[in-house]
Amino acid sequence: EVQLVESGGGLVQPGGSLRLSCAASQFTFSSYWMHWVRQAPGKGLVWVSRINTDGSATNYADSVKGRFTISRDNAKNTLYLQMNSLRAEDTAVYYCARGDTGSYPDWGQGTLVTVSS
Amino acid sequence: QSALTQPASVSGSPGQSITISCTGTSSDVGSYNLVSWYQQHPGKAPKLMIYEVSKRPSGVSNRFSGSKSGNTASLTISGLQAEDEADYYCCSYAGSSTSVFGTGTKVTVL
Repeated sequence: EVQLVESGGGLVQPGGSLRLSCAASQFTFSSYWMHWVRQAPGKGLVWVSRINTDGSATNYADSVKGRFTISRDNAKNTLYLQMNSLRAEDTAVYYCARGDTGSYPDWGQGTLVTVSS
Repeated sequence: QSALTQPASVSGSPGQSITISCTGTSSDVGSYNLVSWYQQHPGKAPKLMIYEVSKRPSGVSNRFSGSKSGNTASLTISGLQAEDEADYYCCSYAGSSTSVFGTGTKVTVL
């Protein structure tokens, strides 16, 4: 069974930085595109970013472009999301997800990021 | 990257059928047969229910079906059961390797 385990969430002040990790197991991590999706408290799902299999191509939602950086380490089976210049509106549960564009069959349990002073 | 539009809530009695709409634009839903649907129970991660408009992953009940016409996709749940009460989200490929989710629909089983 595919396993995706996020970590790194927590409380951070506005303007601060945080790096999320997603440890993958039980599948060939290097063969799949990976994504980050977030969900603000009581709100809907929002696609954030994706990375291709070898990390050479990345895409971002307009709301995080220039502030967030997605990356991966295929040797460690781990996906990352570096989040800089954090704002209150970035407060959300962040999920990593495996899948092709537009279809995500596998999700982690999520990690909560709270941006507040 | 505007969210796809879904009704905020849909309800039905056990055994009935309900349909959730998901309206996008010619740049997302209307251009690609890459619409998926997710079920999310409170405090849980989303679960894929339909992909590529109408395909069901292994293990998903055949009570769930999907379709698309123009810029609007739909999810139909037939034989509504208490366990179907959850939030449902559509998602579409939006070009340039990006995706967009719907606003979400709360399904209530009366």
